[in-house]
Amino acid sequence: DQQVKQNSPSLSVQEGRISILNCDYTNSMFDYFLWYKKYPAEGPTFLISISSIKDKNEDGRFTVFLNKSAKHLSLHIVPSQPGDSAVYFCAASETGTASKLTFGTGTRLQVTL
Amino acid sequence: DAGVIQSPRHEVTEMGQEVTLRCKPISGHNSLFWYRQTMMRGLELLIYFNNNVPIDDSGMPEDRFSAKMPNASFSTLKIQPSEPRDSAVYFCASSRDRGRWDYTFGSGTRLTVV
Repeated sequence: DQQVKQNSPSLSVQEGRISILNCDYTNSMFDYFLWYKKYPAEGPTFLISISSIKDKNEDGRFTVFLNKSAKHLSLHIVPSQPGDSAVYFCAASETGTASKLTFGTGTRLQVTL
Repeated sequence: DAGVIQSPRHEVTEMGQEVTLRCKPISGHNSLFWYRQTMMRGLELLIYFNNNVPIDDSGMPEDRFSAKMPNASFSTLKIQPSEPRDSAVYFCASSRDRGRWDYTFGSGTRLTVV
């Protein structure tokens, strides 16, 4: 049972435009959410996170939005750059589970020139 | 800092053989995680250790899988006997404190069981 879902396996965006990656979750106990970025032949790297007490967190070109009622979060990248081409994983955790993260299946972003 | 080091990078083995994957976490990190990546299920947590003690192994798929952390600088994930459906990329990650989620992942071991 996939508790964190990324329904778009791939996304293609032109350089300079906005990239929007989506993530849905089913476990209402999740209260902390993260995005990881993965390049080929490398491990995932932490990108940005958000606590359930917030609905938005911004870090440079990256913004994560959280809609708790819809159990949905999204990652916005503005403007998109070719170096952003990678696989993006959404992850979630719940209080009391220590460091345990539940990941989605990932979305491959391709930023074209 | 060399980061999280995994070996081997690639492993091809025949069904039924024993496979051992290795991980060296970042020095000073006291939590270690083993994840498996597949197309269908994404990144799945197999097991994690805190201060060398297994905390949660509920993600270990079967008794064929076992993991150890004999000291703070080394962990192994063993599959015996291996099966074709075990083919995946296995990642090790570490973090400084329990409850911190900004893991540092290794580069992974791509396992192919034929």
